[in-house]
Amino acid sequence: EAGVTQFPSHSVIEKGQTVTLRCDPISGHDNLYWYRRVMGKEIKFLLHFVKESKQDESGMPNNRFLAERTGGTYSTLKVQPAELEDSGVYFCASSQLSTGLTYEQYFGPGTRLTVT
Amino acid sequence: AQSVTQLDSQVPVFEEAPVELRCNYSSSVSVYLFWYVQYPNQGLQLLLKYLSGSTLVKGINGFEAEFNKSQTSFHLRKPSVHISDTAEYFCAVFYPYNTDKLIFGTGTRLQVFP
Repeated sequence: EAGVTQFPSHSVIEKGQTVTLRCDPISGHDNLYWYRRVMGKEIKFLLHFVKESKQDESGMPNNRFLAERTGGTYSTLKVQPAELEDSGVYFCASSQLSTGLTYEQYFGPGTRLTVT
Repeated sequence: AQSVTQLDSQVPVFEEAPVELRCNYSSSVSVYLFWYVQYPNQGLQLLLKYLSGSTLVKGINGFEAEFNKSQTSFHLRKPSVHISDTAEYFCAVFYPYNTDKLIFGTGTRLQVFP
């Protein structure tokens, strides 16, 4: 069974540009989460999808971040325009909804975003 | 406020020595506790978890952790480390019936020397 995949693995962009990160959850996982780790700090929750609906987006830093999950499968996280403080590693995770084991979150390898 | 504290940002240790990575959390309600490990260039992998029951939890690769409710701690231990244990370790808390998000500590980088 394939795990959570993320693309790209690394992205280097200039301040003011746009970047789109993609996450493919484990097949059949209705819950999808985005987390971010800024260098040296904790991994912080950004938002949570249940299927295609945003369940909790309390962690989204500002309106430069836009997450979508059309069709309830893969998700994208767009940053527009990117700022220096957006640099970090963006993790995606997924979990099953039907079992109720939402705490069993499986993480992808992350996308390292560097804004220069 | 919900928070997780990992006091040690880096822990250097020699191979075959024992190690303890500390984790404390803030909560007045029951929580689920996790340790994740991130090996170089890989994603986060679940090491072990505590949901309820026995306070001593065994995980993969010989790691174990002990839940201490009175001290709100969940320290990770291994009696004898290997070079391959070199990685970053994250403690995380989940608040059931509240939210589906994990709250992480800042991570502890374990460096095992030969």
